[in-house]
Amino acid sequence: DGGITQSPKYLFRKEGQNVTLSCEQNLNHDAMYWYRQDPGQGLRLIYYSQIVNDFQKGDIAEGYSVSREKKESFPLTVTSAQKNPTAFYLCASSTSSNPSTDTQYFGPGTRLTVL
Amino acid sequence: SQQGEEDPQALSIQEGENATMNCSYKTSINNLQWYRQNSGRGLVHLILIRSNEREKHSGRLRVTLDTSKKSSSLLITASRAADTASYFCATDDRGDGNKLVFGAGTILRVKS
Repeated sequence: DGGITQSPKYLFRKEGQNVTLSCEQNLNHDAMYWYRQDPGQGLRLIYYSQIVNDFQKGDIAEGYSVSREKKESFPLTVTSAQKNPTAFYLCASSTSSNPSTDTQYFGPGTRLTVL
Repeated sequence: SQQGEEDPQALSIQEGENATMNCSYKTSINNLQWYRQNSGRGLVHLILIRSNEREKHSGRLRVTLDTSKKSSSLLITASRAADTASYFCATDDRGDGNKLVFGAGTILRVKS
């Protein structure tokens, strides 16, 4: 899983609660990404950040928020507005903001379950 | 929206056999990447093939790309039980180069 960590590995949330998933990398990468993976499906992009203090919405940003105050950190908050948050969440980073040519390095993932 | 679609959805083979997975995509691309995911883990990059390349090798992996058919294949030769995983293709979109789009993946099971 390279130099990118996610915590916690498993997270349980009650309906109506916000939760924050941690993602940290020590690879000195500029770009970071958050994906959601549902069973039997590929990854869908939630948010991405090409540089510190800047981030962009991906394909399924509704109900999620992020911040990028430090180069090595890109936390994801799953808000109560996200109607179906139970999923496997993956964070990734890459050297530059060109996903076309850059390898993405993934963390081990956080499995979020709403009770 | 998903750009790449893998085929088959699942594949079960005996150790030592070759495994072939296919990926089709919809729009013009600059590059295509293949990733592997062990159950419950993050993805690991396997190989990248550029749009002007037709074939690329890395160890027991062979990737082909046919831009006229908008398709790619991943061949794993002499498979091992440790190759059991899900395999995803990922493409960029020339219209939006800021992100990769992943297919739904092929689940490969190698029986020993």
